[in-house]
Amino acid sequence: GAVVSQHPSRVICKSGTSVKIECRSLDFQATTMFWYRQFPKQSLMLMATSNEGSKATYEQGVEKDKFLINHASLTLSTLTVTSAHPEDSSFYICSARAGANTEAFFGQGTRLTVV
Amino acid sequence: AQSVSQHNHHVILSEAASLELGCNYSYGGTVNLFWYVQYPGQHLQLLLKYFSGDPLVKGIKGFEAEFIKSKFSFNLRKPSVQWSDTAEYFCAVNAQGGGKLIFGQGTELSVKP
Repeated sequence: GAVVSQHPSRVICKSGTSVKIECRSLDFQATTMFWYRQFPKQSLMLMATSNEGSKATYEQGVEKDKFLINHASLTLSTLTVTSAHPEDSSFYICSARAGANTEAFFGQGTRLTVV
Repeated sequence: AQSVSQHNHHVILSEAASLELGCNYSYGGTVNLFWYVQYPGQHLQLLLKYFSGDPLVKGIKGFEAEFIKSKFSFNLRKPSVQWSDTAEYFCAVNAQGGGKLIFGQGTELSVKP
């Protein structure tokens, strides 16, 4: 299957700093990428949907100024957690989809810990 | 707005038992349906998908699912589970033609050897 690479897999940052997470589709062009947040023993909560070259669509309750999403190319999307706080500590997962009626492939996730 | 509901939070089975995990969705239009599996410490992998055609779809590792449009359901089945099937299973849906991919709450499956 197609490969989605997410980096870093684990990051620890100080409260108030910003952290950037990258999501790359390695062997296909992703017209759409999704960013999720997963809490322990819980489901994936969709944060935003991004289409290449356009602004991301954020889900209700997700602060777009705090979670900056950029999808500048067909193989790369980034999520920047700005002014991170301990409550932002979580597991962030990206997924990428080539077309509207195709399956989404998932990255391995990023464990963010804000201290 | 679309939503997905998985009825079983945690299922415990013995090896060789049959499995059925429930999934219901809510959406007014035509949908694509998916089952993903997350093994401990690993990323999500696709088990199977339904876009159109035969409502009974077969996936990897002996899993299958049946789309029943009248019931808005897409239940996952396996006739005989193995210890290695221990994992978290997620049902997901998106509107045909694009749109966001929404997940159910997940079902934790524990298979006793």
